[in-house]
Amino acid sequence: DAGVIQSPRHEVTEMGQEVTLRCKPISGHNSLFWYRQTMMRGLELLIYFNNNVPIDDSGMPEDRFSAKMPNASFSTLKIQPSEPRDSAVYFCASSSVTGGGQPQHFGDGTRLSIL
Amino acid sequence: SQQGEEDPQALSIQEGENATMNCSYKTSINNLQWYRQNSGRGLVHLILIRSNEREKHSGRLRVTLDTSKKSSSLLITASRAADTASYFCATDAADYKLSFGAGTTVTVRA
Repeated sequence: DAGVIQSPRHEVTEMGQEVTLRCKPISGHNSLFWYRQTMMRGLELLIYFNNNVPIDDSGMPEDRFSAKMPNASFSTLKIQPSEPRDSAVYFCASSSVTGGGQPQHFGDGTRLSIL
Repeated sequence: SQQGEEDPQALSIQEGENATMNCSYKTSINNLQWYRQNSGRGLVHLILIRSNEREKHSGRLRVTLDTSKKSSSLLITASRAADTASYFCATDAADYKLSFGAGTTVTVRA
């Protein structure tokens, strides 16, 4: 079975540009998570979707960040305008059941560099 | 904020030796999970232990949980070069939200 698929794997762009990260969760999973990983702050949850509906976006840093899940097989995380401090590795993860006690399956991430 | 804190931050061992790392957390939990992250890759789920369990095994992995001390340990026995990775504990005090620690970086020397 295919795992969580993220694209692009690497993105280098200039400050002020719009960045769109994409994620395809595992088929049949109803929960989707976007995380950001940095050396300073570790792994942070940005937003959580359940059945395509955003449930918790309290981790989204500011209005420059937005996420959508138009259907069960696709989600995007957009940064507009991007800033150098947004440089990080962004992960998408999915799980099969809402609620605690379920493993999350991670994609291999998008390494984002904002110059 | 990080609920779980791993100790040590880094660990270097010889192939064939055992590796032990610890995780401490602050608030009550429902479950605790351990994940592995190889360089440049996403996190991979290793094992989940529920708050009413004290020990769990999976292959060469052994996890313990002491809720009275709010701590867990991960033991990797007979380590291999392929075990070189960062290991994270994650607690889920809330329904869906996992709180990850900063991780322990394990290097297995051939």
